[in-house]
Order: sequence, then C-alpha cells, then structure tokens
Amino acid sequence: QVQLQESGPGLVKPSETLSLTCSVSGGSISNYYWTWIRQPPGKGLEWIGFIYDNGSPNYNASLKSRLFMSLDTSKNQFSLTLTSVTAADTAIYYCARPFRRGQVAAFDLWGPGTMVTVSS
Amino acid sequence: DIQMTQSPSTLSASVGDRVTITCRASQSISNWLAWYQQKPGKAPKLLIYEASTLHSGVPTRFSGSGSGTEFTLTISSLQPDDFATYYCQQYNGYSFGGGTKVEI
Repeated sequence: QVQLQESGPGLVKPSETLSLTCSVSGGSISNYYWTWIRQPPGKGLEWIGFIYDNGSPNYNASLKSRLFMSLDTSKNQFSLTLTSVTAADTAIYYCARPFRRGQVAAFDLWGPGTMVTVSS
Repeated sequence: DIQMTQSPSTLSASVGDRVTITCRASQSISNWLAWYQQKPGKAPKLLIYEASTLHSGVPTRFSGSGSGTEFTLTISSLQPDDFATYYCQQYNGYSFGGGTKVEI
C-alpha cells in the first residue's frame, strides 16, 4: 500500500527558505504528477504545484517566483523549496498523488500533512 | 486563473437530512471536478471525481452532478460521520473552492 509522508522543519524565520520533502513508500514514484497543497490554519486548501517524473514542474502563479520543486527517483522522494517566506506562508503542507498514473486527476492519496510556522 | 465559488460556506443540518452543496467555476471546466471531505486534523478524502463518479469505498449516499460551470454535491441522508468540511476542486488548473462546513 502506497503511503506518503512529509518531513521538514516546523518553524522557519521570516525571509528565510522553507524546504520540505515527501517520501513515497510502498510504490514507485514514476509516472505521477506529484503535488503539494497547503492549508493555512482555519482556512481552505491552496494548490501549490506539481512535478512529474520527467522533471517538468507546474507552479501556482502566485508562488512561482519563490517556488522550486524537485524529484529524486533514486530516493523515491520529491521536494518543495519556498524562498523569502512570510507569516502568510504559515500552513499545513500536504503532499498528494492523483489517482491516475500519467494524468492530471483528482487526489486519492495524501500525506498526513506537516505544520510549518513562519515566525521569528 | 479559474475561480471556484462554493455555497453555502456553512450549513446547519440534522441526521437524516438531504444536503446539497453548490460549486461554481468562473469558466467552463467540462467535468474536471472533484469533491473532498475533510475532518479536523486530517487530510482531505476524495469522494467524487469527474463531477459524478463515486470514488472506491465512498458510501452511495454521496452523489455529484453538473458540468461546465455548475456542480452539486448531494448527501441523500446525512449520517453522524458526515459532519465535516467539504471542498470542490477543479483539476483543469487545480484550484479549490472555499469549503462548506456541515454542522449540526
């Protein structure tokens, strides 16, 4: 059974860089649009972006200038880097996988989420 | 960017009620729409994809309809486990609606 697990620091200082990793266990990372989604406390969901295993990313336009995603097939992991963070980036960050291989689709597999707080 | 608008934002209901949530897209998304249920402290759970297809294991009291810009999620007879927040999502560009909290 495939599982996702986010990892990274729970606290980041303003203006610094946030880095998170999603580890994929129980299955291959190949041929899926691996995705990051976030949720500020008490608010709704925001799509951050996805990366495919050919390395092609697609980012939310509002975050594009600060965002970088990568994928490591040898480690079965994918990562998110967000620069110049502010309090507005405080959120639960989820990694997720669409239910169809090789296609953009709805997400049937989610990690449990990791809370990131931006504060000095 | 495609904007998704859900209504209502909060819905008060009782066990056994029929509940309907609406989601509108700012432009046509064909049937590329999903519905999720989220409970506090948990990741969202996929209920319906492609506007009307029930995801595996989801109770049949959940149903979805619509295409283009207007979509609905219906719970035919609300159960205690259904009190949660529901989100629509278009995956033509991946934006979410603002959510509908179903409460007692």
